[in-house]
Formats: sequence, C-alpha cells, structure tokens
Amino acid sequence: EVVLTQSPATLSLSPGERVTLSCRTSQSVSSSSLAWYHQKPGQAPRLLIYNGASRAAGIPDKFSGSGSGTDFTLTISRLEPEDFAVYYCQQHHSSPYTFGQGTKLEIQ
Amino acid sequence: QLQLQESGPGLVKPSETLSLTCTVSGGSINSRYWSWIRQPPGKELEWIGSISYTGATNYNPSLKSRLTISVDTSKTHFSLMLTSVTAADTAVYYCATDSSPTRWFIWGQGTMVTVSS
Repeated sequence: EVVLTQSPATLSLSPGERVTLSCRTSQSVSSSSLAWYHQKPGQAPRLLIYNGASRAAGIPDKFSGSGSGTDFTLTISRLEPEDFAVYYCQQHHSSPYTFGQGTKLEIQ
Repeated sequence: QLQLQESGPGLVKPSETLSLTCTVSGGSINSRYWSWIRQPPGKELEWIGSISYTGATNYNPSLKSRLTISVDTSKTHFSLMLTSVTAADTAVYYCATDSSPTRWFIWGQGTMVTVSS
C-alpha cells in the first residue's frame, strides 16, 4: 500500500499569500497518478486536481499541481477566505487508493 | 446535474452488518464508476471500494473479507454492506462517482454511522 505523508500538518497564513503544500509518497508513483482535494468542516471533500496537474471542472487556475516520483506539491497562488480548509492528497497509481493525513490551512 | 444521497441507519451494534444505500439522481447510473469512501472522526479519508455500472468491483484489501458493494441500475442506486462491524468502523460514509474509478468529482453529503451497543 502506498503511504502518503503531507507536510506541514497545519499552516497559518493570511489572505493574499501564496502557499505550497507538500505530499510525499512511500514509493514512486506516476506523475499523473496524484490528486488533491480540499474539505471544509461538515462538508464532503472537493476534487481540485487530478492526474497530477489537471484542474477539475470549475476549479480556478490559482490552483496548480506538480511533482514526480515521490514528491508532489499543490500551489495556491493567492489565498482567498474560502481557501482555508483541510487539503488532502490522494494517489491513484495503485489499489488501494490512499489519502494523506491532510494539511490544515488556517487564517492567521 | 448528477447528485448523490446516502441513506441508512446511523447506529449499528458491534458484530452486526452495516448497510448503506446511495441514491443517484439527475443522471444515469448506467455509466461511470461508483465508490464508497469513509472518514473516521478527526481522521483522514479511506477508500472502501468501487463498482462499475456493469458490476465489476474493486475493494480495499483491508475490508474485502467483510465488504459487498452492489449496483441496481433499474432502481438507480448502489449499496454497501459491511459485516461484523466494530467501533473502528465508526465514520462518516460518503458515496462518490467519477468517469474514472480512481478519483471522485461528485460526492454525496455523507452519513455518520456509529458502531456502539
């Protein structure tokens, strides 16, 4: 099973800032096999990025994904109040499809 | 617009069977892949398993021996059955779907299931 480790666990930032979230996999995965979601309290997760760098329908271009091998990142170019949530990475390289433990983005 | 809604009991006794249904509206169940994902309180997401509209399944090995996912195309819903539950199965259970079996664009709102006597 591929284990995903996200860092940091919590980030405190201000609206308008740029942020890069990290996701490391326990074994090499295809660069097109990584997805990112965010989840707000009491809500279901929302798909942001799939296949490593493709934005899901309706996701603005301030979100971008990149990486290869075992190191992947999600960048949000300019934080807005609605972006403060928990972010999860997920690998779809091999079954079982696994998620990271999440990075909580909170308002400073 | 495709929408999903989970339904089922919110409380299940240990050793019993957890049964949930996901009703699909606004679109056809005769395409796409249909999945269950859960999230224990305060923890990360866990993929449970997926089924295609043809009935082909893919289960998380950690749950496979207790798990059945089925699809009813005539009634536009798919279901989850998890046997011999314990407190570790307490979680919010989500149904989800996408054109790929390995990612999830459309989600239900989730339903909390507590395993307790």
